[in-house]
Amino acid sequence: AQTVTQSQPEMSVQEAETVTLSCTYDTSESDYYLFWYKQPPSRQMILVIRQEAYKQQNATENRFSVNFQKAAKSFSLKISDSQLGDAAMYFCAYRSARALGQNFVFGPGTRLSVLP
Amino acid sequence: EPEVTQTPSHQVTQMGQEVILRCVPISNHLYFYWYRQILGQKVEFLVSFYNNEISEKSEIFDDQFSVERPDGSNFTLKIRSTKLEDSAMYFCASSVRADTQYFGPGTRLTVL
Repeated sequence: AQTVTQSQPEMSVQEAETVTLSCTYDTSESDYYLFWYKQPPSRQMILVIRQEAYKQQNATENRFSVNFQKAAKSFSLKISDSQLGDAAMYFCAYRSARALGQNFVFGPGTRLSVLP
Repeated sequence: EPEVTQTPSHQVTQMGQEVILRCVPISNHLYFYWYRQILGQKVEFLVSFYNNEISEKSEIFDDQFSVERPDGSNFTLKIRSTKLEDSAMYFCASSVRADTQYFGPGTRLTVL
């Protein structure tokens, strides 16, 4: 079974600075998707960024980018120019591409605080 | 932009009562999911639904749970006899293909 680990329960960053959230995963599969979701205090799950395992190029979405190291099974999220609105719980998630209807496996989350 | 909606936002029920949580997935999506998140814990998969049948379910999804797509728009999760430990946030999600899932805002279920 796949597992997702986020070793940083809490992180903090100064406004306008850069922060990196770590995620590692364990799988025997070669084809899969990885995601970062943000959960603000409203508790809605918001997609931040996704990465297909077959793509070597790291995904970017505006201030958010990932460092995907397939061999190391690592998928970190970098937030540049941090804003107060970035404060939230961040979940790393894995999804197999093996079959239809595959569920997400979520990590335990990292709570990010942004300091003014 | 289309989004997944869920009702109610908060449901309070007595232990042993039945509850139905409702979701309206994004209209052209084909895959539907339910997850739950106990307060302070990670999001856990419950069940996935495709082509009018369950495609996968977790150990959490026991006989007390059922899902249904009663019409072309709604996707429901029923808990037949709620227990205290069912108190959690329940998220519905949908996807057009078997990759990115879009989550609803969640229903907070409180079992007294």
